[in-house]
Amino acid sequence: SYELTQPPSVSVSPGQTARITCSGDALPKKYAYWYQQKSGQAPVLVIYEDSKRPSGIPERFSGSSSGTMATLTISGAQVEDEADYYCYSTDSSGNHSVFGTGTKVTVL
Amino acid sequence: QITLKESGPTLVKPTQTLTLTCTFSGFSLSTSGVGVGWIRQPPGKALEWLALIYWNDDKRYSPSLKSRLTITKDTSKNQVVLTMTNMDPVDTATYYCAHRARGSYNYWGQGTLVTVSS
Repeated sequence: SYELTQPPSVSVSPGQTARITCSGDALPKKYAYWYQQKSGQAPVLVIYEDSKRPSGIPERFSGSSSGTMATLTISGAQVEDEADYYCYSTDSSGNHSVFGTGTKVTVL
Repeated sequence: QITLKESGPTLVKPTQTLTLTCTFSGFSLSTSGVGVGWIRQPPGKALEWLALIYWNDDKRYSPSLKSRLTITKDTSKNQVVLTMTNMDPVDTATYYCAHRARGSYNYWGQGTLVTVSS
């Protein structure tokens, strides 16, 4: 079955840039989406269609995609950005969705 | 304002069938392009997509769980029901339902923890 692979963890100091990657064979043809999940809460969409930001999401969150890799960038990470981040997409047929393996972002 | 809420048993025994209901408001599941999906998350683990039903009753299932899952909708009641057969302790997880539009899950329920234990 289709998989999206992320690094288990990323650590940054406040104000630095955090980059989280998501690797998947269908990403050249399918959009990537990114979710933020804080402890004990439901996920929140922070990037859709590779690089678009929903209303209410801070400008420090941005997304890009090239080839088989999508990237979520947090520019000037804040302590409140500490969370688990998941990419999301579909397989090449578009019929089956999948979440990435998840990345824990630590800001300290 | 779109809201979703999951309901169902908090404890099921191994081999039993789990039935979860998602009751939503603020949108109609008869609107073109709209869907409701189910996603689960075992304690301390990653999100796992389970199933999706569209406004036109088209259905999609996780390939690894397809044989055990059934998703249905009752548009008049604003509800979506997920059944999962032959429950096992590894199915212990928080189960979420979520509104899907334009390719993404934009609104999520609070989730419901289901424990599988004898």
